[in-house]
Amino acid sequence: EVQLEESGGGLVKPGESLRLSCAASGFTFSSAWMSWVRQAPGKGLEWVGRIKSKADGGTTDYAAPVEGRFIISRDDSQNTLYLQMNSLKTEDTAVYFCTTVAYHSVWRSYGTYDYYYYMDVWGTGGTVTVSS
Amino acid sequence: DIQMTQSPSSLSASVGDRVTITCRASQSITTYLNWYQQKPGKAPKLLIYAASSLQSGVPSRFSGSGSGTDFTLTISGLQPEDFATYYCQQSYTTPLYTFGQGTKLEIK
Repeated sequence: EVQLEESGGGLVKPGESLRLSCAASGFTFSSAWMSWVRQAPGKGLEWVGRIKSKADGGTTDYAAPVEGRFIISRDDSQNTLYLQMNSLKTEDTAVYFCTTVAYHSVWRSYGTYDYYYYMDVWGTGGTVTVSS
Repeated sequence: DIQMTQSPSSLSASVGDRVTITCRASQSITTYLNWYQQKPGKAPKLLIYAASSLQSGVPSRFSGSGSGTDFTLTISGLQPEDFATYYCQQSYTTPLYTFGQGTKLEIK
């Protein structure tokens, strides 16, 4: 069974740091692109960032509100995804979900593929509370 | 940035009803549109990707349509387990994904 499970959440003060972990099982983690999505209390979903597989370069991308403060990394030997959160703000308070990023490819007549990305497996979520 | 706007923000319906939720993009996203279902206290679940492709294991009463800026999620024959919040998401500007604000579907 494909599973993702977050851990490491908790209560921290503004300006402090925290690291979330996401343990993966049931699929080939090293081949997967992964992302983090968060949800503030009573609010909607917000994409946080993504990391590609090492075979595809292992590069990361971030949403503007967290760029420069959050770092996504992976340890393929441990099947684990990480989210290092620095300089935390009260507005970072949320449930954080790790997800796999999959795609559907369509060959186009003009000689290239279009890739339709989506988040197909989600973790149960880890809670981060930033409060003084 | 592409903004995604869902309507309505909430709606009430009865078991057996046909329900349509709309998602509008601030610019054309062709068919780079996904739909998710989220129940209280749970993680979202993928329903539809690429505007109209049904994710494996999702009941066929769920369907998606649209292209460009206007999209719809239709549930034909509501079941008790369908009462949840639904989100659209654009992947046109991947990896900078944007979600709609959500539509809460409640029991009438």
